This record gives sequence, C-alpha cells and structure tokens, in this order.
Amino acid sequence: QSALTQPRSVSGSPGQSVTISCTGTSTDVGGYNFVTWYQQHPGKAPKLMIYDVAKRPSGVPDRFSASKSGNTASLTISGLQAEDEADYYCCSYAGSSTWVFGGGTKLTVL
Amino acid sequence: QLQLVQSGAEVKMPGASVKVSCKASGYTFTDYYIHWVRQAPGQGLEWMGRVIPKSGVTHYAQKFQGRVTMTSDTSISTAYMELSRLTSDDTSVYFCARDGSHYDFSDWGQGALVSVSS
Repeated sequence: QSALTQPRSVSGSPGQSVTISCTGTSTDVGGYNFVTWYQQHPGKAPKLMIYDVAKRPSGVPDRFSASKSGNTASLTISGLQAEDEADYYCCSYAGSSTWVFGGGTKLTVL
Repeated sequence: QLQLVQSGAEVKMPGASVKVSCKASGYTFTDYYIHWVRQAPGQGLEWMGRVIPKSGVTHYAQKFQGRVTMTSDTSISTAYMELSRLTSDDTSVYFCARDGSHYDFSDWGQGALVSVSS
C-alpha cells in the first residue's frame, strides 16, 4: 500500500487561505468517503480535524474545511492563524480493514 | 475524561522485541477499536494495524505481517503492540489511537519512543 501524496510544504500569511491536496487511488481516496485529516504540532500527538471527507469534530474551528474529487482530497484552512502552523496528514480507509496515510505537509504561517 | 496513556520510552538491541502498552480510561474499552500508528524521526505517520478489544480480532498492515502482534486485556482496559525482530528502521514513536467509529482515529495516546541501537 503506497502512501498518499501530499505536498511537502505550503505557506501563507495570517488571514489568508491555504489548501493542502492529498492524492491517492481508486482503492483508497477514490473508493471510499472515509478520508480524515490530522494536525500535528511538534512533539505532540496528532489531532483529528476532519472525518468522513468533510465533517468537523466538535471543537474544530469552521476555518477548517475539506472536500474530495475523484482520487484527490483537499483540506482548506481559511483565515490563517499563527497557531495553525503544524504538520497536516491525510488518511484514507483502503479496504480490507486497512488504512493509509499521506506523507504529511508542513504548513508555515509567514 | 477520555485518556489513552502509553508506556514509557524503550531502548532495544537489534533483533529484540518490544511491547508497548496503551491504557484506556474514561470510556467503555470494549466499545471501540484501538489502532497503532508509528512515526519515525522527522517522518510521517504510518498505520500499523488495529485490534478489536471485544473479540481480540486483529488486522495488520501487510508490511508488518508476521512481525507484529496486537492484543488487549479487557480486565485492565489496556491494549498492547508487540513488534519483533527489531532493526534500526523501527526506531519510531509508537502511538495508540482510539477508533472514532467513522473510520477515523479520534483520540490518541501520548506516544512511546522506541529506539533500536546496538
């Protein structure tokens, strides 16, 4: 199972929007509506930000939104804040009770 | 409140095995699956497998088949991940995570660093 493809880094200024892409195949991202996104600050455990492609858990700001088209999922962070600077990982169910992560994207808030 | 508390850091010799624990509290342990995810230094997250505490049924990533064993002890609400035949490539932080019932990992342990070095 190959890792999903994410850009290594993205950046934006406070108040701006950034989008992180996550490309898989028809056997993972494209095959199921079970894409999730995680935020990880240095030295910390990941935090669930998005589940079921586009749903936000309680407590996650609505500045975080997500979608999917075909084999590519996307996470958009609008109104960037300094605290959003972190690593972001997508993950998809890949069938047969297996999951696959993306390689991760480092978000820098300029 | 819900917590997943993992065992401490370990240093192992190549070829050895390591067993990491994950003690759950604040919810009914048998109602949710437990996943294991690892992260090598400076690298991304890697899904290793999951255990269903109620039944003991496991599912492993193909990469770890034959080398990993995930178990649970419902009497003490604790899940375990044992990895054998360790090499330096297994040096990672190992996280347990609770399945959130939406094919997601809703809650995470603090991680346990396993270092493999001669």
